[in-house]
Amino acid sequence: AQSVTQLGSHVSVSEGALVLLRCNYSSSVPPYLFWYVQYPNQGLQLLLKYTTGATLVKGINGFEAEFKKSETSFHLTKPSAHMSDAAEYFCAVSPFLTQGGSEKLVFGKGMKLTVNP
Amino acid sequence: EAQVTQNPRYLITVTGKKLTVTCSQNMNHEYMSWYRQDPGLGLRQIYYSMNVEVTDKGDVPEGYKVSRKEKRNFPLILESPSPNQTSLYFCASSRTSGSHYDEQFFGPGTRLTVL
Repeated sequence: AQSVTQLGSHVSVSEGALVLLRCNYSSSVPPYLFWYVQYPNQGLQLLLKYTTGATLVKGINGFEAEFKKSETSFHLTKPSAHMSDAAEYFCAVSPFLTQGGSEKLVFGKGMKLTVNP
Repeated sequence: EAQVTQNPRYLITVTGKKLTVTCSQNMNHEYMSWYRQDPGLGLRQIYYSMNVEVTDKGDVPEGYKVSRKEKRNFPLILESPSPNQTSLYFCASSRTSGSHYDEQFFGPGTRLTVL
């Protein structure tokens, strides 16, 4: 079974500071990993995803994440926070399955990011 | 414009009154799914559908029904809503292509209050 842990529910940073949102996963098979962002009163949209290949993944709006298999982590970072980054961020995991498997996406509980001026 | 639409966006109803939340996508996606979002719990999958006439339970299916008669539509039905179904609901869709997992595209959400 797959699971995702996002420790804490809220993080606050100053504008221009580093953003680090942690995500650890549990998966019995090689995982696909995702970060989604939810802006206020909107649905979720994909920030970035890891499937195979390069372990450092770059996404939209200057975000990136690194897949570390030994640490079962997929932390999200951005070097310099912007006010517009204020949102809720969800890490999600899905197993890499051969044909016939169900494609289930398991979300973490989310992390609300506040950016202070 | 490629999108997932949900209706209604907001709904207040009373216990026991049947309701349907519609979901439609215009991307010819095979896979569709319903989630509910609750504070501190993140998103939990209610039901999903791999293709027309193929549906399966997610993590929290109790009290919900779905159908997939057409590829583009995936309505969520609450036969007898209860207050614990007060939540924010999202429909999502993705292209299923065998060995790769494609991103899910989400609708704008439906905020349901059951009194």
